[in-house]
Amino acid sequence: DAGVIQSPRHEVTEMGQEVTLRCKPISGHNSLFWYRQTMMRGLELLIYFNNNVPIDDSGMPEDRFSAKMPNASFSTLKIQPSEPRDSAVYFCASSFDLHGAFFGQGTRLTVV
Amino acid sequence: QKEVEQNSGPLSVPEGAIASLNCTYSDRGSQSFFWYRQYSGKSPELIMFIYSNGDKEDGRFTAQLNKASQYVSLLIRDSQPSDSATYLCAVSEGGGADGLTFGKGTHLIIQP
Repeated sequence: DAGVIQSPRHEVTEMGQEVTLRCKPISGHNSLFWYRQTMMRGLELLIYFNNNVPIDDSGMPEDRFSAKMPNASFSTLKIQPSEPRDSAVYFCASSFDLHGAFFGQGTRLTVV
Repeated sequence: QKEVEQNSGPLSVPEGAIASLNCTYSDRGSQSFFWYRQYSGKSPELIMFIYSNGDKEDGRFTAQLNKASQYVSLLIRDSQPSDSATYLCAVSEGGGADGLTFGKGTHLIIQP
């Protein structure tokens, strides 16, 4: 299995620009999670989907953030407009059963 | 607000010794507990999960859970330099299909 696939691996953008992060979960997994990791705050859950339906988006920091999961094999996290404080590593993870979530390699976002 | 607390370290352990990592959590409704390992610049990697009070062993790793004390620990026997990493404790109200709340991690250094 290829694991959770995220793209791009690195993104550098200017403040005010739109950023779209992409994720392909492990085939057969029915839950998908978006996390953000910073030194100060650690790993924070932004939103998660179950069977393509958003279940909890209470971690999404602002209306500038949005996430979609149009089908079982694809999800996006969009930031519009981006700000320097959004700079972080964004992880996508997926799971199927009770045995934990598996993470992608992450997208390192830098907003200048 | 759910909280997961870990000592940030660094925790320095001689090669071949037992490394002991600890974690406490605030939500008494938590049912599932996970340990992840994260190497610098890499994504979190699931190494163990535990649901029931007591010990669970997997190779050199033993997870221990005490729900009454809201305490989870990870023991690493015969520590190797390759075990040097940050270890993240995570908890969930349900299983892996729910969003995980992570601690900020303990930085473990195994000294050759």
